Amino acid sequence: GENVEQHPSTLSVQEGDSAVIKCTYSDSASNYFPWYKQELGKGPQLIIDIRSNVGEKKDQRIAVTLNKTAKHFSLHITETQPEDSAVYFCAAKNTGNQFYFGTGTSLTVIP
Amino acid sequence: EAQVTQNPRYLITVTGKKLTVTCSQNMNHEYMSWYRQDPGLGLRQIYYSMNVEVTDKGDVPEGYKVSRKEKRNFPLILESPSPNQTSLYFCASSSYPSDLISYEQYFGPGTRLTVT
Repeated sequence: GENVEQHPSTLSVQEGDSAVIKCTYSDSASNYFPWYKQELGKGPQLIIDIRSNVGEKKDQRIAVTLNKTAKHFSLHITETQPEDSAVYFCAAKNTGNQFYFGTGTSLTVIP
Repeated sequence: EAQVTQNPRYLITVTGKKLTVTCSQNMNHEYMSWYRQDPGLGLRQIYYSMNVEVTDKGDVPEGYKVSRKEKRNFPLILESPSPNQTSLYFCASSSYPSDLISYEQYFGPGTRLTVT
């Protein structure tokens, strides 16, 4: 089955700096790659996603890039704010509609 | 308000005592799924359902059962819980995955299960 690896597991940045989280996947047929943000005590919430036929997608301060050849995708958060502090998960969906998640990145934005 | 609800939110039980965690969504979503979240392991998919009466195994289905008799409900059943099923469980729902509709999954608030 699919294997999704996520790095780093923890990340601290100064407010206003950028944060980058990277994921790799193993199944070249995977076709959908979402990123979720999970705040303490809550369920994950989608923040951005990208399909396999697109290389980059941006939504205000958040962007995702996908390199299908290398089988990796990344989350970029610019101008970080304290409210960006949370755990972030990447995921990949295979053609059978199963989802595989990374192990998570705990992001801390230092004011 | 569009939401996914789970009950109970917290549950402590003993080994071997059958339990059911309920999940309900009010968004008329076709796709529903159960995940467990464990420290250092992220979220792992247990079972998913593409529609009523259609269920499929995810990555970690052993020890779990599900049913999908109604579109809005997708209960998770542990017939004989064991301590290694102690975890945080999430139910999620989304529109039927297709090129025209978002795959966005909406997650419930979670159920923290402890099996002693």
